[in-house]
Amino acid sequence: QVQLQESGPGLVKPSQTLSLTCNVSNDSISSGDFYWSWIRQPAGKGLDWIGRVYTDGTTNYNPSLKSRVTISVDTSKNQFSLELRSVTAADTAVYYCAASLVGAHPMSSWGQGALVTVSS
Amino acid sequence: EIVMTQSPATLSVSPGERATLSCRASQIVSSNLAWYQQRPGQAPRLLIYGVSTRATGIPARFSGSGSETEFTLTISSLQSEDFAVYYCQQYNNWLPWTFGQGTRVEIK
Repeated sequence: QVQLQESGPGLVKPSQTLSLTCNVSNDSISSGDFYWSWIRQPAGKGLDWIGRVYTDGTTNYNPSLKSRVTISVDTSKNQFSLELRSVTAADTAVYYCAASLVGAHPMSSWGQGALVTVSS
Repeated sequence: EIVMTQSPATLSVSPGERATLSCRASQIVSSNLAWYQQRPGQAPRLLIYGVSTRATGIPARFSGSGSETEFTLTISSLQSEDFAVYYCQQYNNWLPWTFGQGTRVEIK
């Protein structure tokens, strides 16, 4: 089963850019078998899908964040990344990366999550 | 955007009893409906997909049912490890993917 691991700074200043990377193992991003998603969860709240990327770089974003988000893929490093610009305290959350088979399939593999706090 | 509404917000159940969780979609999602379990401090884990298919390794006490806009997750006999938060999610081709707000299953 594909395994995922998030990494990146745990503290980001307001107005700056949040950057996270998800390292993929037990599968090649280049295989084309999966969509690679980011999801976030503020403390004590529910899950919010941020967006996804495919092997060829094609992306889909949640309209609620689309103006501030970029998700990209690096096949040479077998990882994909999230950038969220102009962050505020409302962006403080646990950020998860996840994988879903291409087509209409759920997110079957998840990373353990990375807590990102936005604070000066 | 398809809005997913779960009920109840909290369900108090004794160990060994049955738990029934509901999820309603604002539009028809066909069979593209999944349930996830999230224990404290852990990532969500896929339980059910395609409305009623258990994911790999999920015990038979978990079952899903429903169609179009109304869905149910049933836990037939609650074990201690089942006390957690459960989320439904639609993964239709109509993006964005959306989750319900969650149902917390707690020990009565």
